[in-house]
Amino acid sequence: AQSVTQPDIHITVSEGASLELRCNYSYGATPYLFWYVQSPGQGLQLLLKYFSGDTLVQGIKGFEAEFKRSQSSFNLRKPSVHWSDAAEYFCAVGAGNNDMRFGAGTRLTVKP
Amino acid sequence: GAGVSQSPRYKVAKRGQDVALRCDPISGHVSLFWYQQALGQGPEFLTYFQNEAQLDKSGLPSDRFFAERPEGSVSTLKIQRTQQEDSAVYLCASTPGAGLSNYGYTFGSGTRLTVV
Repeated sequence: AQSVTQPDIHITVSEGASLELRCNYSYGATPYLFWYVQSPGQGLQLLLKYFSGDTLVQGIKGFEAEFKRSQSSFNLRKPSVHWSDAAEYFCAVGAGNNDMRFGAGTRLTVKP
Repeated sequence: GAGVSQSPRYKVAKRGQDVALRCDPISGHVSLFWYQQALGQGPEFLTYFQNEAQLDKSGLPSDRFFAERPEGSVSTLKIQRTQQEDSAVYLCASTPGAGLSNYGYTFGSGTRLTVV
């Protein structure tokens, strides 16, 4: 079965700085990959997804992610972080079945 | 409505009590999913419906958990004889197509269940 690892439990960045959140997956074939964001007390909002094609994926709110098959990674990036980006971020992998597996999440704190 | 609606937002249950959690998916969405999110963890898959058919219930942690979607729209997740380990946020998601697709899932805000 597929699985996801988010190595960083908590990351703090200064407002305006760049951001990279790491995600590694385990799956034998080409996976479906997703990044979601969750604000406190809210559900999950889809930031971006990768199914096939261009390995650099653009999402909402200025986020992007790059699929690297050789590294089994799908890291999320943003060139300049805003205070409103503080939230929990989840990477997820789907395998064409009904089961989408989520990582444990990375909590992002933004310093003024 | 425009999004996935879940009720109640918060539920406190005494251990041993039965609870029912409701999910109203986006109108016309074929697929509906339930996830359980423990504190500090990512969501864990519980069960999946395609219209009224429950096609996958492999994630339900015990036979105390039961889900239904009798008319292919609203779904109810029922937990019988609640235990403290059932305390979590229960998330519902829906998607227009069948199963995992390139639409991604639209999640509700969840129901936070606390068992005391």
